[in-house]
Amino acid sequence: NAGVTQTPKFRILKIGQSMTLQCTQDMNHNYMYWYRQDPGMGLKLIYYSVGAGITDKGEVPNGYNVSRSTTEDFPLRLELAAPSQTSVYFCASSFGGAEDEQYFGPGTRLTVT
Amino acid sequence: QQQVKQSPQSLIVQKGGISIINCAYENTAFDYFPWYQQFPGKGPALLIAIRPDVSEKKEGRFTISFNKSAKQFSLHIMDSQPGDSATYFCAASAGRGQNFVFGPGTRLSVLP
Repeated sequence: NAGVTQTPKFRILKIGQSMTLQCTQDMNHNYMYWYRQDPGMGLKLIYYSVGAGITDKGEVPNGYNVSRSTTEDFPLRLELAAPSQTSVYFCASSFGGAEDEQYFGPGTRLTVT
Repeated sequence: QQQVKQSPQSLIVQKGGISIINCAYENTAFDYFPWYQQFPGKGPALLIAIRPDVSEKKEGRFTISFNKSAKQFSLHIMDSQPGDSATYFCAASAGRGQNFVFGPGTRLSVLP
């Protein structure tokens, strides 16, 4: 099993550009999550999904969109990138909700200039 | 009230010493408390977790101590090793179906 894979590993965007961060898991997990990690701030939940076709907002959803058309994939879309979106983005998955171990991908480091 | 506070922000320990990281919370609905370990350039990974019906859980050199009345819990790393150098996050959730709230993290450095 590859676990949770994320692409790209690094990306530099100009202000106003858009991009999609890809996330795929091969563990047949129901739950998937997107977090952002800022220095000294821990992990903040952006969006999550409890299954294909179902998504919901987390703590910091503004400026982002997600979709979940399959169990395996959970892409994160950034529209009109802003410097405040400079961060490291982690995708994670778990079989159930909280209290089931979350498996994290390696992260995407995004810089918006 | 959804916050989890974590201290210290960074910690330097000599090899063989004890590393202690503390977390505190306000939400009494929290009932599951995991610790995640993150090495540089990697995603976090579950290290150990505890529920409030026990005061202590030990797995190898790692121990969680839990004080329900004080709403505090801590991670103790015995015989700390340079390979333990990582960032440690405490987290909390309020039951199945609820999402985690993460602490801000503690960067641990264990000197050889």
